[in-house]
Amino acid sequence: AQSVTQLGSHVSVSEGALVLLRCNYSSSVPPYLFWYVQYPNQGLQLLLKYTSAATLVKGINGFEAEFKKSETSFHLTKPSAHMSDAAEYFCAVRVGQGAQKLVFGQGTRLTINP
Amino acid sequence: GAGVSQSPSNKVTEKGKDVELRCDPISGHTALYWYRQSLGQGLEFLIYFQGNSAPDKSGLPSDRFSAERTGGSVSTLTIQRTQQEDSAVYLCASSTGWNYGYTFGSGTRLTVV
Repeated sequence: AQSVTQLGSHVSVSEGALVLLRCNYSSSVPPYLFWYVQYPNQGLQLLLKYTSAATLVKGINGFEAEFKKSETSFHLTKPSAHMSDAAEYFCAVRVGQGAQKLVFGQGTRLTINP
Repeated sequence: GAGVSQSPSNKVTEKGKDVELRCDPISGHTALYWYRQSLGQGLEFLIYFQGNSAPDKSGLPSDRFSAERTGGSVSTLTIQRTQQEDSAVYLCASSTGWNYGYTFGSGTRLTVV
């Protein structure tokens, strides 16, 4: 069954430092992968998605993620953290060919230190 | 509407009471999803509606939970005889198709006391 694992429930970086949030997937078919962000007291917002086109995917707010089949990974990065990036980030995988629902990881809370 | 609208934003109820949570999706979105977000538990899939097809209810945790979608638009999630473990944020999302991602509402925070 398709699933995702997010390594690290909390990540803390300094403002201006590299952000790296890890996501590994498990899928018996080519996966379709997503990153979502949730700001406090808000719903989730789509950051970016991988749907079997380019392996390096660029999203909103300067984030990007690289699909690496050999490592079954889809890590999220941003070269320089900003205070406004503080939020919870969720990795998700589409479940099953022809299926519509997504399975989400447990989430990683990102804290930015001034 | 411009986004997915959920009501109420907060609901406090007594154990054993029934509650109804409402979701108004983006106009034209054929797919509608309910997820539950508990503290430290991530997002748990509950139910999915797609057009006129039979809903995917595989995530509903018990028969106390039910949902309907009227006229292919507004959806109501009903929890009967609420329990304390039902306390969570209930998120609704809609989509035109999985590859476009979901648009989420702000959620309903349910507290059972």
